[in-house]
Amino acid sequence: KAGVTQTPRYLIKTRGQQVTLSCSPISGHRSVSWYQQTPGQGLQFLFEYFSETQRNKGNFPGRFSGRQFSNSRSEMNVSTLELGDSALYLCASSLGTGSTNEKLFFGSGTQLSVL
Amino acid sequence: GENVEQHPSTLSVQEGDSAVIKCTYSDSASNYFPWYKQELGKRPQLIIDIRSNVGEKKDQRIAVTLNKTAKHFSLHITETQPEDSAVYFCAASWSGGYQKVTFGTGTKLQVIP
Repeated sequence: KAGVTQTPRYLIKTRGQQVTLSCSPISGHRSVSWYQQTPGQGLQFLFEYFSETQRNKGNFPGRFSGRQFSNSRSEMNVSTLELGDSALYLCASSLGTGSTNEKLFFGSGTQLSVL
Repeated sequence: GENVEQHPSTLSVQEGDSAVIKCTYSDSASNYFPWYKQELGKRPQLIIDIRSNVGEKKDQRIAVTLNKTAKHFSLHITETQPEDSAVYFCAASWSGGYQKVTFGTGTKLQVIP
């Protein structure tokens, strides 16, 4: 079974630009979560999607948005990029069904550098 | 919202010694506590987890303990090996939180051969 796939692996953008990151979950997984990872800050939750609906959202500004398609693939968009947005963006998939907590399967991440 | 604090931020041990990483959480509603290991340049991977109805769980050289009253949980690695060198993240979530997992800031473990 293929793992979680994130594209692109690396991105370099300049301030003010926007960027779209993509995540393909493990087949059969319907939940996709996004995390921002920076040195010293750990992994910070951005949002979670299940069946094309955002079920949960972290404390990030509205410049960070996402969506999920009917095939469970998800995209994350960051508009008006700032230097502080430079980070590794990880997505994670899980079955997402039921109320019990589930193991997250992470992708390799997209390393975003904002110049 | 939930807040997870993790200590220490770095830890160096001699090969064969034990390593302990401690975390505290703030939300008493949290009932699931996973631990993820991230090797350099790789993705985080779950190594062990514990639910609030259990006080301790072991898997070979790794164990996790949970004290719900004190809102503490800890990761114990015995007989450390160089391949245990990585960043370890503790986390907390609750079953109604729809996969919103709050992570600690990570502990960089170095095992010295």
